[in-house]
Amino acid sequence: DADVTQTPRNRITKTGKRIMLECSQTKGHDRMYWYRQDPGLGLQLIYYSFDVKDINKGEISDGYSVSRQAQAKFSLSLESAIPNQTALYFCATSASISTDTQYFGPGTRLTVL
Amino acid sequence: EDQVTQSPEALRLQEGESSSLNCSYTVSGLRGLFWYRQDPGKGPEFLFTLYSAGEEKEKERLKATLTKKESFLHITAPKPEDSATYLCAVQEGWAGNTGKLIFGQGTTLQVKP
Repeated sequence: DADVTQTPRNRITKTGKRIMLECSQTKGHDRMYWYRQDPGLGLQLIYYSFDVKDINKGEISDGYSVSRQAQAKFSLSLESAIPNQTALYFCATSASISTDTQYFGPGTRLTVL
Repeated sequence: EDQVTQSPEALRLQEGESSSLNCSYTVSGLRGLFWYRQDPGKGPEFLFTLYSAGEEKEKERLKATLTKKESFLHITAPKPEDSATYLCAVQEGWAGNTGKLIFGQGTTLQVKP
């Protein structure tokens, strides 16, 4: 089984709809991250969480919110989706000590019409 | 401003034709430089972490090296299965850092049989 899972894997929605993307991990890591990937722009950090009570904005957090329900679960919400939020979304985790290497989930492809 | 630039954007090689990918970076103190491999529609897969100038790491046909301003990913005698996008990312090394990774835009490698 994969260490970092994301659901759904693909989602098509309409402008104005509320969408939630979910991430679960079995790696036992404290830190979790949400990234967005657009063609030609690389990966950009949306939100990150060091533990259940510590949530922080990344560089492109406008239009997004997150919830850390447990150490293993980190959800990303689009309160009112807009077309320019069409992208690939990745969750990542890392341990709070040692290398800080981030391990990524398989991604969610979101299309907002 | 922290920045990561990868070159070339795309690289086509014949099977067995060795080459190198470049990652140039500007960061206020380097905590670590990371290389990932990404296949189409999938999440980045961790390859290497380098911490200090002069460090080298190898995995099968891949070898990563690090200087104070750039990193190289050398691919020796590549095979078609090495075809992927290779991402470079840096992490700042200062107290209280977020663990944030700054990604380059990637190099897409195609290896033809």
